Order: sequence, then C-alpha cells, then structure tokens
Amino acid sequence: QSALTQPASVSGSPGQSITISCTGSSSDVGGYHYVSWYQQHPGKAPKLLIYDVSKRPSGVSSRFSGSKSDNTASLTISGLLAEDEADYFCSSYTSTSTLVSWVFGGGTKVTVL
Amino acid sequence: QVTLKESGPALVKPTQTLTLTCTFSGFSLTTNGMRVTWIRQPPGKALEWLARIDWDDDRFYTTSLKTRLTISRDTSKNQVVLTLTNVDPVDTATYYCARLPPAEYYFDSWGQGTLVTVSS
Repeated sequence: QSALTQPASVSGSPGQSITISCTGSSSDVGGYHYVSWYQQHPGKAPKLLIYDVSKRPSGVSSRFSGSKSDNTASLTISGLLAEDEADYFCSSYTSTSTLVSWVFGGGTKVTVL
Repeated sequence: QVTLKESGPALVKPTQTLTLTCTFSGFSLTTNGMRVTWIRQPPGKALEWLARIDWDDDRFYTTSLKTRLTISRDTSKNQVVLTLTNVDPVDTATYYCARLPPAEYYFDSWGQGTLVTVSS
C-alpha cells in the first residue's frame, strides 16, 4: 500500500484556522470510515486526535475536527495556539481479500507564526 | 493509565536479527478484542505498519516484510516482541508499538519509539 499524501508543512498565526489534507485512494481513505489523526511533539509519543474520520476522544480539544470527502480526509485546527506546533499525521485502515493493514501519511509540520 | 514502551538495540549490523520489546501496562492483551501493533518510521519518511498480535494470539504481517518479521507475546510479562531478520540499512527507523482497542481501527496509545540504526 502507498503512503497517504499530506502537505509537508502548514503554518498559521495564533487564533487562525488551518486545514491539513490527507489524500489516499478508494482502497483506503475513500473506502472506509476509518481515518484517524495523530499529533506528535518532538521526542514524544504520538497522540490520538481524531478517529473514525471525525470523532474526538475524550480530553481532546474541540478545536480539532476531522472530515472526509471522497479520497481526501482533512484535519482542521481552529483557534490556533502555540502549543499546537507539532507534527500531524493521518492514518487509514485498508484491506484486501488477503490482508488487513493500515497506511499512513508522511506527516505535516504545523508552525505557529 | 495505558502506557507502552519500546526497548531494543540502538545499533545493529547488516544481516543481523533485530529484536524489539514492547512493554505495556494499564491493559491486558488477553482481554477479548485487544491488539498490539508495531509501526516504524524511517528518517524523513512516512510511518509503515508492520505487524499485529491479537488477544487470541492471531498474528498479521505487512506483505512486504512477512518473510522477515515475527511478532510474539509474553502475557505474563505484558510484553510483545518483534523480530526482524537479515536487517539492512533501509530498516533504519524509529520503531513504535501501539495499542488497537477492541473492534476499533485506530491506535489509541503509542510508545515514544526507539530509534534503530542499521550500519556496519
């Protein structure tokens, strides 16, 4: 399976909204409602932000939201804060007749200006 | 509180076998539906899902590495072990273990990862 495509970097000023895209195919993002998003600060473990395209785990700020259209999923961060500066990556479940697997995006570095 | 931590050698030589251990707490791998996976990220590249072991000891591998990977568990120690045989410099990566909750398709808890360099 090929990696999902994310922009390498996105930036925004405090208080602004930014959106990170995650493009796959009908075999992964477009074929399942199982896209998840993760935040990773340097040297830290990835943290689950969004699952099943748009659901937030308890404890995750409502400033993070997810959506999907066809083969592209998106993560929107509203009211950007300095603490949001981190790497973000997407993941999608994928399967064939013989394999169950997950694919990931290359990651997007978010910079708060 | 769920925690996972990877451990293993930082440096391995080409052709050797890499053995990594994921030690976890806050859950049991014998709980119905529970799963633990291994994922890696080569420097500057995307994450790659490697293997999964389930509560019932079922095991799944990524196709491209299936002949070189083995995942196993020690439920008494709360550990999952990944071995990768015949390593090559392209196997240089940060290796993560992560938990898959029952009947879910996302990784709700991750370890911090361990960087493994393959070099002579």
